[in-house]
Amino acid sequence: DSGVTQTPKHLITATGQRVTLRCSPRSGDLSVYWYQQSLDQGLQFLIHYYNGEERAKGNILERFSAQQFPDLHSELNLSSLELGDSALYFCASSGQGGETQYFGPGTRLLVL
Amino acid sequence: GQSLEQPSEVTAVEGAIVQINCTYQTSGFYGLSWYQQHDGGAPTFLSYNALDGLEETGRFSSFLSRSDSYGYLLLQELQMKDSASYFCAVRRDDYKLSFGAGTTVTVRA
Repeated sequence: DSGVTQTPKHLITATGQRVTLRCSPRSGDLSVYWYQQSLDQGLQFLIHYYNGEERAKGNILERFSAQQFPDLHSELNLSSLELGDSALYFCASSGQGGETQYFGPGTRLLVL
Repeated sequence: GQSLEQPSEVTAVEGAIVQINCTYQTSGFYGLSWYQQHDGGAPTFLSYNALDGLEETGRFSSFLSRSDSYGYLLLQELQMKDSASYFCAVRRDDYKLSFGAGTTVTVRA
């Protein structure tokens, strides 16, 4: 158990819909990262927040947005969903340096 | 842009040694990490190199050569439970991260 929690574990929705994925980092970690992993693919870095502020942006679509709240939990919002958005979405947290990231169990999203 | 290359698959027998190479091209290189991921599971951190040289953690070691933009992960005394995907990941000085496509390691009895 990494100490990072993600909800929900599974999500099934339809094209065009909007969903919110939630992540709670390990106690004391200020950084939260979001990743997308499609079937048999590597991890695509989406976005990094540090203590409530966006620190780095990767290949995140404009239909996707994220935020980190004062209690340090983070949400990833996916809108106008397409079939290709079906994937595993991981959240990770780290201390200030970011060298070691602790991953949550992931949310498996299926868009039908 | 950034790119990382690592072999897609490696197969070895129990007790053997496996080396997974990772070459990268990026600006603002800060460090190289390695992660292990079992089927359907979350990636778990294995090691991190920011400076040239070898880092050893139990049966796993990681090496970095910044001048060659190259690193490797060495798995020794392979066990069946080491069958998994292994990813190298580059962190840049602007905090952006890139992961390689992963190397699937299959350990045979």
